[in-house]
Amino acid sequence: KAGVTQTPRYLIKTRGQQVTLSCSPISGHRSVSWYQQTPGQGLQFLFEYFSETQRNKGNFPGRFSGRQFSNSRSEMNVSTLELGDSALYLCASREPDSPFSGNTIYFGEGSWLTVV
Amino acid sequence: KQEVTQIPAALSVPEGENLVLNCSFTDSAIYNLQWFRQDPGKGLTSLLLIQSSQREQTSGRLNASLDKSSGRSTLYIAASQPGDSATYLCAVREGNQFYFGTGTSLTVIP
Repeated sequence: KAGVTQTPRYLIKTRGQQVTLSCSPISGHRSVSWYQQTPGQGLQFLFEYFSETQRNKGNFPGRFSGRQFSNSRSEMNVSTLELGDSALYLCASREPDSPFSGNTIYFGEGSWLTVV
Repeated sequence: KQEVTQIPAALSVPEGENLVLNCSFTDSAIYNLQWFRQDPGKGLTSLLLIQSSQREQTSGRLNASLDKSSGRSTLYIAASQPGDSATYLCAVREGNQFYFGTGTSLTVIP
């Protein structure tokens, strides 16, 4: 089985621009979540999608948005980029939970975003 | 709100030593707890998943324990190797939300 695939792996953007990151989950995984990782803040939850619906949202401004398609692939968009948005953006997927137990979450390699 | 803490932030040990990494969390009503390793510039690799009803899980040289009542988990690494050098993170799950610690950076010296 292919793992979680994120594209692009590296990108550089200018302040004020927007960016779209893509995530293809493991086949059969319907839950996709996004995280921002920075040296100072660690891993912070952005949002989770399940069957094309946003199920949870972290404490990020409205400039951060996402969506999920019918094939479970997901995109996240950041508009009006700020220098502080420079980070590693990680996508994770997991299978639907079995009764009484939660499944392992699997991460992609991430997309490194640098805002200059 | 759930808070996850990992101490120490960094650890350096000679090759062959057994070691323990710690993870503590504030709310014991967790669904499960997962340990990950992260190599520099890479994503997270899952190591072990412990359901809330379990006390420990083992995989090779790794053993993870969970004590929900005290809000603690430990990751035991036996006979450490230089290839074990990485950052180790724990994550607790509440509902459909995951809360991550800031990690322990491990260096195993040959």
